[in-house]
Amino acid sequence: AQRVTQPEKLLSVFKGAPVELKCNYSYSGSPELFWYVQYSRQRLQLLLRHISRESIKGFTADLNKGETSFHLKKPFAQEEDSAMYYCALSPTTGANSKLTFGKGITLSVRP
Amino acid sequence: EAGVAQSPRYKIIEKRQSVAFWCNPISGHATLYWYQQILGQGPKLLIQFQNNGVVDDSQLPKDRFSAERLKGVDSTLKIQPAKLEDSAVYLCASSLITGQSGSGANVLTFGAGSRLTVL
Repeated sequence: AQRVTQPEKLLSVFKGAPVELKCNYSYSGSPELFWYVQYSRQRLQLLLRHISRESIKGFTADLNKGETSFHLKKPFAQEEDSAMYYCALSPTTGANSKLTFGKGITLSVRP
Repeated sequence: EAGVAQSPRYKIIEKRQSVAFWCNPISGHATLYWYQQILGQGPKLLIQFQNNGVVDDSQLPKDRFSAERLKGVDSTLKIQPAKLEDSAVYLCASSLITGQSGSGANVLTFGAGSRLTVL
């Protein structure tokens, strides 16, 4: 079974502060990890995926297989980063892979 | 490209009534998903189609929920009869065929959702 755990429900920081949104996963095989984001009044959308190894809007996330984690980080938070963030996991192999989401965390960036 | 379309956006019904939600995925996306998102929780997969075949419906409460994807394009999710605990946002998403390598595999594009309130 695959499971995603986001241990915190809310993170509130001041503008310019570093941000780390935690994500831990449980899966016996080789996973693909994602971060999805939902801004106020907008649709849930992909932020980044670990295989791309990209920095999106200043965010990065590294897959740590030893710690089974995929934490999302940004060195300097901006007010426009305020949103709901969901970590998600999918098996990399096998047809019709199922995407499983964590419960999400609200990031609030104060001016 | 046009996004994933869903309707209705909002629906209020009384318990034991029925409701149906409609989804039109992105053109060319073979895989279609219905997720249920209860307030304060992450999206939970109800059913996943590839073309017009069901590939995962393990979390669909089949005594009251049904879904179909005729002709491998549009899809309808129905609840009959509704219960109070069905109050949630029902999200439709689509993607290219999953389980394969490539930039589009396993990347979901979501619709705006249909918010259901059961009184």
